[in-house]
Amino acid sequence: NAGVTQTPKFQVLKTGQSMTLQCAQDMNHNSMYWYRQDPGMGLRLIYYSASEGTTDKGEVPNGYNVSRLNKREFSLRLESAAPSQTSVYFCASSEPPGNEKLFFGSGTQLSVL
Amino acid sequence: KNEVEQSPQNLTAQEGEFITINCSYSVGISALHWLQQHPGGGIVSLFMLSSGKKKHGRLIATINIQEKHSSLHITASHPRDSAVYICAERNIVRGNQFYFGTGTSLTVIP
Repeated sequence: NAGVTQTPKFQVLKTGQSMTLQCAQDMNHNSMYWYRQDPGMGLRLIYYSASEGTTDKGEVPNGYNVSRLNKREFSLRLESAAPSQTSVYFCASSEPPGNEKLFFGSGTQLSVL
Repeated sequence: KNEVEQSPQNLTAQEGEFITINCSYSVGISALHWLQQHPGGGIVSLFMLSSGKKKHGRLIATINIQEKHSSLHITASHPRDSAVYICAERNIVRGNQFYFGTGTSLTVIP
């Protein structure tokens, strides 16, 4: 049982390049999330998906797109990377309301030069 | 403004000491979570609380609903407890999303 698998672990991009962060969970969770973590700030929600086929913007969605490919997979795409997107990114999934423990991927450290 | 506030931001303790980390949160939560982030970066969920107290090994989490306050206690601290501890609320008034504190960085010295 792998939990939440997130790739890649590290990535360096040049300004304007694109990339996709991949996330998959094997716990049959409906809800999946993408967060970014910056120094001195709490984790901030970029996008979330409450169920397969639905996605919604979070607190900081600008410059990102997401795809909920199926119940297992939720990807995050940077179409044209900017230095302000240098951050650590975490994918997470949660159990249904009432028992909503959060499970996190191992994180992606992204640097945009 | 972050609605979830933690204190202290940094904490250094001697091995064996009793440690308390505090968290204040906002109105309308369905649950309060404590998370641990290890130096390698991975985040694991320690506790989810909606009332009372929970214990797991040397870790104890409490919540006071009236005061909108939660504490994480570590008894007989050990160097392997060194990590960042994050408080998070799931807020049903604010879109039923998770909101996170900035974390408390704990270092336990042998």
